Amino acid sequence: EAGVTQFPSHSVIEKGQTVTLRCDPISGHDNLYWYRRVMGKEIKFLLHFVKESKQDESGMPNNRFLAERTGGTYSTLKVQPAELEDSGVYFCASSHARGFTGELFFGEGSRLTVL
Amino acid sequence: AQSVTQLDSHVSVSEGTPVLLRCNYSSSYSPSLFWYVQHPNKGLQLLLKYTSAATLVKGINGFEAEFKKSETSFHLTKPSAHMSDAAEYFCVAPERSGGSYIPTFGRGTSLIVHP
Repeated sequence: EAGVTQFPSHSVIEKGQTVTLRCDPISGHDNLYWYRRVMGKEIKFLLHFVKESKQDESGMPNNRFLAERTGGTYSTLKVQPAELEDSGVYFCASSHARGFTGELFFGEGSRLTVL
Repeated sequence: AQSVTQLDSHVSVSEGTPVLLRCNYSSSYSPSLFWYVQHPNKGLQLLLKYTSAATLVKGINGFEAEFKKSETSFHLTKPSAHMSDAAEYFCVAPERSGGSYIPTFGRGTSLIVHP
């Protein structure tokens, strides 16, 4: 069974440019989470999808971030325009269970560097 | 409010000696609790989870954790550290967000293992 995959693994862009990160969850997992870790800081929740619906996006930093999950399969996280403080590692996780009793399966993360 | 607190940002041990990584949670009920590990340049991997079935939980690689409701703790232990245990460890607990619970990370504890 394929795990959670994220693309790209590393992206280097200039301030003001746009970047789109993609996450493919484990097939059949309805729950999809995005997290971010800025260097030296904690892993912070960004948002949670249940199938194609945004269940909770309270962690999204600002309106430069847009997440989608069309068809309830893969998800994209777009940052437009990118700022220096957006640099960090963006993790995606998926789970099957409803609520918070199930294990989260994580991708290896997408490292974003904004110059 | 932060639902999970990892008391140590770094823990340093010698190979072959015991490991103790501390985690305290704040909740009005007995939550599901998890420990995840992240090795350098790898994704997050589940070590073990507590879901109210048994207070002493055994995980992978010889790690275990004991849920102590009276102390609101879920400390991670291992009798004998191995060099390969050097990694960052995260305690995860649910935090209420809107009408649901979001898996929320502690700040992480870096485990350093000396030869």
